[in-house]
Amino acid sequence: AQSVTQLGSHVSVSEGALVLLRCNYSSSVPPYLFWYVQYPNQGLQLLLKYTTGATLVKGINGFEAEFKKSETSFHLTKPSAHMSDAAEYFCAVPGGSNYKLTFGKGTLLTVNP
Amino acid sequence: GAVVSQHPSRVICKSGTSVKIECRSLDFQATTMFWYRQFPKQSLMLMATSNEGSKATYEQGVEKDKFLINHASLTLSTLTVTSAHPEDSSFYICSAMGGVSYTFGSGTRLTVV
Repeated sequence: AQSVTQLGSHVSVSEGALVLLRCNYSSSVPPYLFWYVQYPNQGLQLLLKYTTGATLVKGINGFEAEFKKSETSFHLTKPSAHMSDAAEYFCAVPGGSNYKLTFGKGTLLTVNP
Repeated sequence: GAVVSQHPSRVICKSGTSVKIECRSLDFQATTMFWYRQFPKQSLMLMATSNEGSKATYEQGVEKDKFLINHASLTLSTLTVTSAHPEDSSFYICSAMGGVSYTFGSGTRLTVV
């Protein structure tokens, strides 16, 4: 079964600094990979997804992620953090019966002025 | 883009009563919908997977008789929390699968008093 590991439950950056949120998946290559963002008391919003083709995926709000098979990683980056980026971020992969999503434990991003 | 509407966003009910939460895919047909529960500062916990026209598949440890799921059409799934108790208070989120995308509702904050 697929599993996802998000290193760092809490990441704090200054406004304008680089954002790097880490995600590693289990060894079997997943069909797809997702990053979601969750603001307080809201559902999840899709940031980006990797399916096939180009390994560098661009998403909304200036985020991007690179699928690296050799490192079993799908880290999320943004060159310059904005205060509005403060939220919880989840990496997820589908797998198993009914294509249910397996989520990482999440990373809380704090952006300091 | 794909939109999933979840209602109500907040509900307070008395202990022993039942509460129904609706999840609708507004602009696409979803043969599969998922129901999650989220505790504070934690990731999403899958409760069950529902497929249109068939019985839901519950995850281990989830009480089928307490959390009734109905997926009567390709655009509507409902979760009924029966005989609710304070320990059922939580944030419930639905997700609808369309193609290779998973779209989430905005969540329902249930408080049982």
